[in-house]
Amino acid sequence: RKEVEQDPGPFNVPEGATVAFNCTYSNSASQSFFWYRQDCRKEPKLLMSVYSSGNEDGRFTAQLNRASQYISLLIRDSKLSDSATYLCAVTSNTGGFKTIFGAGTRLFVKA
Amino acid sequence: DVKVTQSSRYLVKRTGEKVFLECVQDMDHENMFWYRQDPGLGLRLIYFSYDVKMKEKGDIPEGYSVSREKKERFSLILESASTNQTSMYLCASSKTGEGYGYTFGSGTRLTVV
Repeated sequence: RKEVEQDPGPFNVPEGATVAFNCTYSNSASQSFFWYRQDCRKEPKLLMSVYSSGNEDGRFTAQLNRASQYISLLIRDSKLSDSATYLCAVTSNTGGFKTIFGAGTRLFVKA
Repeated sequence: DVKVTQSSRYLVKRTGEKVFLECVQDMDHENMFWYRQDPGLGLRLIYFSYDVKMKEKGDIPEGYSVSREKKERFSLILESASTNQTSMYLCASSKTGEGYGYTFGSGTRLTVV
């Protein structure tokens, strides 16, 4: 079983739709959680950290469920420019303080 | 604008060559990382470093080594390049502590022929 798993998609949604991604992790000692966005042929860029209480940044909402060991990302009112691959990332202090990335979920937003 | 700079965007090397990939960050970050990214496999950690002259193996260190002689610079070395090392290589840096994400360089696409 992979340490961090995501549905690879692709998710095809119309503009204005709400879309949600989930990401599960296996290490219960994980400490920090993130969502990254990666455009085609570009490097990943930090989208937002995920806090235990949940957090929101404009149209984006991230949540953490430690009991079930998953994080989620909700995108409201999707824009064409949201089309990208979304990577979840989990940091733990097991075997060194390092971050494991999911393989990413592809999102296509269509007009 | 803070940056992580990788020395080459594209590289083509021959099998058996020694390859150096350079990464420099200007954010005074303590931590630096090398990942490779392959379709379907995602980002896999090769090596990381928490301090100057310090290095730790990641998940796939075989065939690679690293050097960190200065805080801002982290080099990845392919001792004898092989075709299965053809990949996108991404360098990243971060501050120490919980909640700090990574800043990535723009990547080096290495092809070994």
